[in-house]
Amino acid sequence: RKEVEQDPGPFNVPEGATVAFNCTYSNSASQSFFWYRQDCRKEPKLLMSVYSSGNEDGRFTAQLNRASQYISLLIRDSKLSDSATYLCVVLLNDYKLSFGAGTTVTVRA
Amino acid sequence: EAQVTQNPRYLITVTGKKLTVTCSQNMNHEYMSWYRQDPGLGLRQIYYSMNVEVTDKGDVPEGYKVSRKEKRNFPLILESPSPNQTSLYFCASSLLGGQAFFGQGTRLTVV
Repeated sequence: RKEVEQDPGPFNVPEGATVAFNCTYSNSASQSFFWYRQDCRKEPKLLMSVYSSGNEDGRFTAQLNRASQYISLLIRDSKLSDSATYLCVVLLNDYKLSFGAGTTVTVRA
Repeated sequence: EAQVTQNPRYLITVTGKKLTVTCSQNMNHEYMSWYRQDPGLGLRQIYYSMNVEVTDKGDVPEGYKVSRKEKRNFPLILESPSPNQTSLYFCASSLLGGQAFFGQGTRLTVV
């Protein structure tokens, strides 16, 4: 079983729509959680960290459910510029980062 | 400016010809790592280093070597490249337990 699993999508949504997707992780000892954004074969960049209480950054909301071992990302009022691949990243207890394969989001005009 | 610098960005080489991809960071991070990214497989860790002279294998280390003689540099060495090492490679650095900063990537083709 993969350490981090994501729905690959693609999620194809119109501008202004809300899109949400999840990621599950297998190691219950995972310490920290992140969402990274990656544009077309460029380097991944941190979008936001995910905290136990859930957190929001503008139009982006991340949630963590430790009991069910999943994290989610919700994007409100989608913009064309939100089109990207979103990587779920889990920090294991030996400082190793484990990456999901990514969820592709395409926002259309 | 805080950054991770990889070189070269693009490389086409022949099977068996040794090559080195350099990686340098200016943030004084302890942790550095190398990943390869292939379609549908996501980022897979090749090697990592938690500090100078401390390196360890990641998930896919076969065919690769690394060294960490200085804190800022973490070169990736392919002693005898093969076509199955054709991939997009990323170097990353972080404080232990912190967010990772990535280099711009090296697109390697082995023919």
